[in-house]
Amino acid sequence: AQTVTQSQPEMSVQEAETVTLSCTYDTSESDYYLFWYKQPPSRQMILVIRQEAYKQQNATENRFSVNFQKAAKSFSLKISDSQLGDAAMYFCAYRGQLFMEYGNKLVFGAGTILRVKS
Amino acid sequence: AAGVIQSPRHLIKEKRETATLKCYPIPRHDTVYWYQQGPGQDPQFLISFYEKMQSDKGSIPDRFSAQQFSDYHSELNMSSLELGDSALYFCASSSRGQPQHFGDGTRLSIL
Repeated sequence: AQTVTQSQPEMSVQEAETVTLSCTYDTSESDYYLFWYKQPPSRQMILVIRQEAYKQQNATENRFSVNFQKAAKSFSLKISDSQLGDAAMYFCAYRGQLFMEYGNKLVFGAGTILRVKS
Repeated sequence: AAGVIQSPRHLIKEKRETATLKCYPIPRHDTVYWYQQGPGQDPQFLISFYEKMQSDKGSIPDRFSAQQFSDYHSELNMSSLELGDSALYFCASSSRGQPQHFGDGTRLSIL
C-alpha cells in the first residue's frame, strides 16, 4: 500500500522568508500524482500544487514550487516570500495512476502546521 | 466558478441516531469521493463513485452506506452513530483524473 510521510509536525517562518516542507512517500507504481493541499483554520481543503510523476520538470505555482525527486521518493514544497495568509496545515497527498477511468483515492500524510511570524 | 456543495455544514446528533450527508459535485465531474477527518488527523478515504457506480472503498464502517444518484449528487448515510464518528466529512469531485476539488465539509458532532 502507498504511504505518505511528513516528518515535520510543525514549522515556523518569518514573513517574507522562504520555507520548505518535506514529504516522502512509498509506492511500487511507476506513474502517479503528488499534491500539496492547504488547510487553513477554516478547515477548507485547498489544492496548492500538483506534480505528475512522469514529468521531470518541477511544478511551480506563483510563490509555491516543488522539488520532486522520483528516485528518492521525495516531494518537498517550497514557499517563497511567505505571507501571513500562508499559515495553515499543509498536507502532502499521493494518488495512483488512473485505472480504467476510475478515480483514485488520495492518500494523505499526517500534515505539517506552518506558522508565519510577522 | 461552481464548487462542490456539501450540506449541512454542521450537524449535531446523539449516539445511536442516524445522519445523512449530501454532496453536490462540480457540474460535469464524474467522480465523487468521501473522506473523514478526525480531530488533529489527516483525511481518510471512505468511498468513491464513478458514473454512479461504486469505484473504490476504503475504511468505511459497515454502519455507513453511500450512493450516487442520477443527477450525480451523492449521499453518505450513517447509522447507529458513535462518539468516534465525530469528525469533519469531506466530499470531493473530479473529472477524468483531474485533481480533486473539495467541498467545505460537514462537521458532525455526536453527543
